[in-house]
Amino acid sequence: SQQGEEDPQALSIQEGENATMNCSYKTSINNLQWYRQNSGRGLVHLILIRSNEREKHSGRLRVTLDTSKKSSSLLITASRAADTASYFCATDRRAAGNKLTFGGGTRVLVKP
Amino acid sequence: ETGVTQSPTHLIKTRGQQVTLRCSSQSGHNTVSWYQQALGQGPQFIFQYYREEENGRGNFPPRFSGLQFPNYSSELNVNALELDDSALYLCASRPTSGGTDTQYFGPGTRLTVL
Repeated sequence: SQQGEEDPQALSIQEGENATMNCSYKTSINNLQWYRQNSGRGLVHLILIRSNEREKHSGRLRVTLDTSKKSSSLLITASRAADTASYFCATDRRAAGNKLTFGGGTRVLVKP
Repeated sequence: ETGVTQSPTHLIKTRGQQVTLRCSSQSGHNTVSWYQQALGQGPQFIFQYYREEENGRGNFPPRFSGLQFPNYSSELNVNALELDDSALYLCASRPTSGGTDTQYFGPGTRLTVL
């Protein structure tokens, strides 16, 4: 079963616009990670946010975490065509041996 | 570049056959995990190895098995292949020291079962 569920499932935006995607999960977590995947290839780690953190930034990425609502959001600012990819959230529960539980992903298309 | 490599890139097998997929991790990454990703879905955890022993398993039958070697390489073996085993198989490694929980994924092996 999947712990995280992303919303929306797909997103189409123009270059320069911001892209926001959300992730909800069901149980307590140690940390939540966001990954990008291009064309069914390997996963690229974007950012990790721990359960005691509320917001993190990395370049054009901003991630928030609300443990009371069991939700996270990923914001990509000033999107570029190269940001076209699938984005996955994954939860890490230390009680589960640090295995990652992924959601179904958000497919983002950035049109030039 | 994650420093994790997988081979082969693509593989075609027929139902009932056996397959071995390989992964090579970074030096010092004592934990390796394998994931199965069906088309259009998120990756699903298969199992995890730490210092050559399985220490966690997802909801996969025993015909999925693995090995981890001291040289930071590992294998995923699948016996009696079924059509539903067609997927992208990803390995991920993680150092067990240094305080990081980040997992580093390889590029994957695309398995097609006919």
